[in-house]
Amino acid sequence: DAGITQSPRHKVTETGTPVTLRCHQTENHRYMYWYRQDPGHGLRLIHYSYGVKDTDKGEVSDGYSVSRSKTEDFLLTLESATSSQTSVYFCAIRTGSKYNSPLHFGNGTRLTVT
Amino acid sequence: TQLLEQSPQFLSIQEGENLTVYCNSSSVFSSLQWYRQEPGEGPVLLVTVVTGGEVKKLKRLTFQFGDARKDSSLHITAAQPGDTGLYLCAGVGNYGQNFVFGPGTRLSVLP
Repeated sequence: DAGITQSPRHKVTETGTPVTLRCHQTENHRYMYWYRQDPGHGLRLIHYSYGVKDTDKGEVSDGYSVSRSKTEDFLLTLESATSSQTSVYFCAIRTGSKYNSPLHFGNGTRLTVT
Repeated sequence: TQLLEQSPQFLSIQEGENLTVYCNSSSVFSSLQWYRQEPGEGPVLLVTVVTGGEVKKLKRLTFQFGDARKDSSLHITAAQPGDTGLYLCAGVGNYGQNFVFGPGTRLSVLP
């Protein structure tokens, strides 16, 4: 079973502060994703990575940046947090080499921006 | 932009009843996946359907992919309280870089 850990699980921060969320996998899966989940919107892609230092934007990337310096870690940074970024953030890995290999998700980070 | 719609948004039924939830799009997908999510956890894959018209069964759950690969349905027979959760469909494009998720159907099965 793919091991994927998100940290922290909960965070409260103030508007304007930078925030970094971490996603760690214990296997060498190439594709990693950051999603946010909001009521009525489902999961929306923020950024994804297809290898070390290889990343691309998703549909809601404004205000977010990512970095992947090692295969196992994918970091999501909110440069200057806003209240609209209050959400639950999920990291996922694609668990196979086929284009439709399933996504395996972490348990999420609940972020509140006050 | 590829979009997926799901209906109904909420569904509350009694144990033993049957139900169907729908996932629709105007776009064609190479394949479609269904996930179930429980509170405080990430979504977990239930099934992947690939071929237009394909039907897959997983115990009491029956999944169908539309002939045109634009829509899908999930039918649950004799629902149980353990089926309670958020059901998400996800469309997969040709290259798999992006999985497009629907907003979900929140199912509550009452004992």
